[in-house]
Amino acid sequence: GAVVSQHPSRVICKSGTSVKIECRSLDFQATTMFWYRQFPKKSLMLMATSNEGSKATYEQGVEKDKFLINHASLTLSTLTVTSAHPEDSSFYICSAREWTDPYEQYFGPGTRLTVT
Amino acid sequence: AQSVAQPEDQVNVAEGNPLTVKCTYSVSGNPYLFWYVQYPNRGLQFLLKYITGDNLVKGSYGFEAEFNKSQTSFHLKKPSALVSDSALYFCAVREFNQAGTALIFGKGTTLSVSS
Repeated sequence: GAVVSQHPSRVICKSGTSVKIECRSLDFQATTMFWYRQFPKKSLMLMATSNEGSKATYEQGVEKDKFLINHASLTLSTLTVTSAHPEDSSFYICSAREWTDPYEQYFGPGTRLTVT
Repeated sequence: AQSVAQPEDQVNVAEGNPLTVKCTYSVSGNPYLFWYVQYPNRGLQFLLKYITGDNLVKGSYGFEAEFNKSQTSFHLKKPSALVSDSALYFCAVREFNQAGTALIFGKGTTLSVSS
């Protein structure tokens, strides 16, 4: 089956620094990737949608200058949290959609970000 | 706007008993509905989906869900619960947005199965 990986699985960074999270589709080409944020015991909140080769579309209330998303290839999307603050601490999950299947989304295992 | 509701924060059931996790949805067109399970500090695992066809959908690990258009529901069920089923369950509906399609999730229901 389709596999999506995320790296790193856990990251701790100091307040004010930036951290990059990678999302890769390992065995399929992902024309669209989605980034979600999950607070403890809460639902997943869609942050943005990115299509390969174009700018990401951000959901209302998500700061595009703070959460930089790049989808430069059909197998890789990155989320960079710039000037991180403790309130950015969260579980970030990506998902990817294969261009041949409009119905499925394949989810990555998530990245736990802790900002100290 | 499309949305999905999970009215119960927590469901408690004894091992061996049947379980139901409720989900209702609101969409303007045809719904595409999904159930996912999440274990602590892990990503989402796909359980089952309804796109079209038979209203009773069978999925992974013995779970099934019944699509009821008149009640706009898509409840998750299992005839006999296992302790290992204890986890966080999400119902999701697909909607269109500007750049493609994204899943919109319910708030989640914690299932606790006691031995």
